[in-house]
Amino acid sequence: EAQVTQNPRYLITVTGKKLTVTCSQNMNHEYMSWYRQDPGLGLRQIYYSMNVEVTDKGDVPEGYKVSRKEKRNFPLILESPSPNQTSLYFCASSEDISQPQHFGDGTRLSIL
Amino acid sequence: GESVGLHLPTLSVQEGDNSIINCAYSNSASDYFIWYKQESGKGPQFIIDIRSNMDKRQGQRVTVLLNKTVKHLSLQIAATQPGDSAVYFCAETPGTGNQFYFGTGTSLTVIP
Repeated sequence: EAQVTQNPRYLITVTGKKLTVTCSQNMNHEYMSWYRQDPGLGLRQIYYSMNVEVTDKGDVPEGYKVSRKEKRNFPLILESPSPNQTSLYFCASSEDISQPQHFGDGTRLSIL
Repeated sequence: GESVGLHLPTLSVQEGDNSIINCAYSNSASDYFIWYKQESGKGPQFIIDIRSNMDKRQGQRVTVLLNKTVKHLSLQIAATQPGDSAVYFCAETPGTGNQFYFGTGTSLTVIP
C-alpha cells in the first residue's frame, strides 16, 4: 500500500530537548516536504526536498532542520524546541512539484 | 509571498444538495491547483487537480473550475453526503519555484 509514515504520532516534551520526527514514503517519490498546521493558518511549508541531498527552506523554517540522505526518508529535527513549535505536523511526498502530494497522518507535538 | 485564501471558513449544506467551496489566489503565474479533503485526525487527502491550461475538470461527484482572469478556483461537490463533511483546502504551485501554498481551509458540514 502506498503510504507516507510519520513517527511518533503524538509527543509531549519540554523546551530545549532535541527531538526528531521521522517520515518515510514507499512510493519512490522525489519530492518530500514538511508542513505545520495551526488553527486559522492552514498548512505552512517548513522545508522541502527536491531529491536526495537537496533541501530548501519553505515559509517557516526557523527552529527546524531536515536531511535527505535517502530517497525514502525525510526526518524533521527540532534541535532546541520551544513552545511556539507546538503544532500539528505533516510530512508529504509527490513525484515532483507538478503532482499532488500524499500526506502522512500527522504528528501532534506539544512543547511545554 | 504567495497568498491563497478561501471565501468562507465554514459551510453547511443539506444532504443531497450541491456544495460549492471557493478559493482565491494571488499569483497570476500559478500553474497547478489542487483540492484536498481533511477529515478529523487524518492528513489531507487528494481530491482533484487542474492545470492552468484548463478551465474545468470533473471527477466522481466533484468538479473543479478555474477562472484565471479573476484568479479564482472553486470545488463543486454534487449530491453532498454526510461522508463529505470535512475541511477542504485549495493549494497551488507557482510557475516558478518549488513550493506548494495552501489556503486556510473551509469546514464543510453536511446536515442529514
